[in-house]
Amino acid sequence: EAQVTQNPRYLITVTGKKLTVTCSQNMNHEYMSWYRQDPGLGLRQIYYSMNVEVTDKGDVPEGYKVSRKEKRNFPLILESPSPNQTSLYFCASSGKGYYGYTFGSGTRLTVV
Amino acid sequence: GENVEQHPSTLSVQEGDSAVIKCTYSDSASNYFPWYKQELGKGPQLIIDIRSNVGEKKDQRIAVTLNKTAKHFSLHITETQPEDSAVYFCAASRGSGGGADGLTFGKGTHLIIQP
Repeated sequence: EAQVTQNPRYLITVTGKKLTVTCSQNMNHEYMSWYRQDPGLGLRQIYYSMNVEVTDKGDVPEGYKVSRKEKRNFPLILESPSPNQTSLYFCASSGKGYYGYTFGSGTRLTVV
Repeated sequence: GENVEQHPSTLSVQEGDSAVIKCTYSDSASNYFPWYKQELGKGPQLIIDIRSNVGEKKDQRIAVTLNKTAKHFSLHITETQPEDSAVYFCAASRGSGGGADGLTFGKGTHLIIQP
């Protein structure tokens, strides 16, 4: 089944403890993005990648890092999480020339 | 950068009636406009999209229209059913890349279908 898989689905952590949210797609897509969703603010782009080793900042990149060492994987790294990063996170991917993005099921992160 | 405004934030319609959600965008270079449906506890799902060289597109009960001059696009759902209840997001490509560098989303419309 074609899909974007995020792990974990739920995560509660403490301020300052580094964490990684994994994202993997099995559709051989070139384009991948991370978004955060907050009530009343919709979906905002954190980082995106147009291909392996090519990443760039979205609208709200502060406090986040990403890497794209393999085509299928695009992990989101929070080096020192803070409470204002409590949110619902989505990874999405799209194929070159197709334009449509497929989203993962989301990761609900709580930082206390 | 691109800015997408979406209205209304909440829309309640009687089952069987039509629903219309409207969005405006700011970047005239944007060339791809998808609509997503998000059900509780799930990720957004693409329901229909339109490219800037097309004015209207229809898929069964849903349709999207695009006015490039006015920089607005709309989602139309006819003969609404209970399963249409969800949050709907419009989006626009960031520039003319067709979405290669991601999408800018509106803030969403909570559509409620009253039985």
